[in-house]
Amino acid sequence: DAKTTQPPSMDCAEGRAANLPCNHSTISGNEYVYWYRQIHSQGPQYIIHGLKNNETNEMASLIITEDRKSSTLILPHATLRDTAVYYCIVRGGADGLTFGKGTHLIIQP
Amino acid sequence: EAGVAQSPRYKIIEKRQSVAFWCNPISGHATLYWYQQILGQGPKLLIQFQNNGVVDDSQLPKDRFSAERLKGVDSTLKIQPAKLEDSAVYLCASKDGYTGELFFGEGSRLTVL
Repeated sequence: DAKTTQPPSMDCAEGRAANLPCNHSTISGNEYVYWYRQIHSQGPQYIIHGLKNNETNEMASLIITEDRKSSTLILPHATLRDTAVYYCIVRGGADGLTFGKGTHLIIQP
Repeated sequence: EAGVAQSPRYKIIEKRQSVAFWCNPISGHATLYWYQQILGQGPKLLIQFQNNGVVDDSQLPKDRFSAERLKGVDSTLKIQPAKLEDSAVYLCASKDGYTGELFFGEGSRLTVL
């Protein structure tokens, strides 16, 4: 079973920042938070991951709370192509990925 | 860099028939996964290979599903006989051994009538 809780859907206006929340209150000390997204009819795509500190790459930023029980994925300037299902996944070491239902993010023009 | 290749992209069969899906992972990736994604749900792991050995097949319905990765590169997933509830997208993924990142193919969509 997935160890994370995400809202089923969210809307965001094009050009604005999209903030996607994720709860993972039972995360263990050696488990990472991963984010993947799945655009319609494609396979999931890696976005970002982190352990304790906030992380940023060319796609997004990941903010993890100090107690590590929740995190937020931020897409700074959402475009229509960011419409997808976003999965927050807690993963330890060499484990595979256990997906929940994710958040369906819809970017409105 | 070439991505994970899967074929066929689409397959329609009748129940009780058999079907096979093929996956070619990214070159050099030792770990390969098969996932099943039913409409409206997240992907569910079916089987994980490390080179040509099975690491985890606990969620593979072994009475009808089988998978192999004989030479530690390409892999095939077979369903025989298919049931209506096997209608899904079958995703193959391979893992970068250095970063741990999983790369997914576009999937094979199976419809069982």
